[in-house]
Amino acid sequence: QKEVEQDPGPLSVPEGAIVSLNCTYSNSAFQYFMWYRQYSRKGPELLMYTYSSGNKEDGRFTAQVDKSSKYISLFIRDSQPSDSATYLCAMRRNSGGSNYKLTFGKGTLLTVNP
Amino acid sequence: DTAVSQTPKYLVTQMGNDKSIKCEQNLGHDTMYWYKQDSKKFLKIMFSYNNKELIINETVPNRFSPKSPDKAHLNLHINSLELGDSAVYFCASSQPGQGISNEQFFGPGTRLTVL
Repeated sequence: QKEVEQDPGPLSVPEGAIVSLNCTYSNSAFQYFMWYRQYSRKGPELLMYTYSSGNKEDGRFTAQVDKSSKYISLFIRDSQPSDSATYLCAMRRNSGGSNYKLTFGKGTLLTVNP
Repeated sequence: DTAVSQTPKYLVTQMGNDKSIKCEQNLGHDTMYWYKQDSKKFLKIMFSYNNKELIINETVPNRFSPKSPDKAHLNLHINSLELGDSAVYFCASSQPGQGISNEQFFGPGTRLTVL
C-alpha cells in the first residue's frame, strides 16, 4: 500500500460545479497536509495547507483533514476554466530529519469546461 | 524575478550519455530539493540539501549525483543515462522550520528525454 493514495482521474466538470478532490494516507505520523496545483508544463505551486485535523477556507477553496479516517479533501466552489490543472495532495511529518520531506499523491487531473 | 530557475528547460540525449541539470534559487532559502515526475505525474523526492549538506537521499541509482556548491545552487548530474530516466525533473527550495515556513517553491522543471 502506498503511503498516499489519490485518484488520478481525469475529472471533467462544467463551469460553476463544485469539485471534490480526495486523498487517503496510511502514515499516522503525517501532521501537515497540503494541496499543490500544477498547470500543464509548469511546476507545482502551493494552493492550501492545514495542520492536523480541521477545515480551512480560502475564497472558493476549502481544505479538510480527518485524521481519524486518514482522509483529506479539497473542495472547489463555483469552479472556473482557469481551475483546470492537476491537483496534488502532499503531506509531511513534524519532526526529525524527515521534517523537510513531502510525500505526494499521484495528482488528479481536473478539467473545467466553459 | 524568477524565484527558482532551472536550466536547461528541455534536454534530449542518447542512452549512455552523461548530463547535468542546474538549479538556482534567489529566495535566500537554506534547503533545496530534486524531485522526479514520471509520465503519470507522480512526483517523488530524490534528494534534499540543507545549507550544502545532504539530508535526504531516497532510493536513487548512484548514477544520479547531486552537488551543492553553495546554498543557492543545487545541480544534478546523471551518468550513463537510461530510457527509464526520461521524466520531468523539478528543483524546489524551502526555508526549514515549523509550520508552513517550510513551503516548497518549485522551479519550472527540466523535461529529460532519453532516446
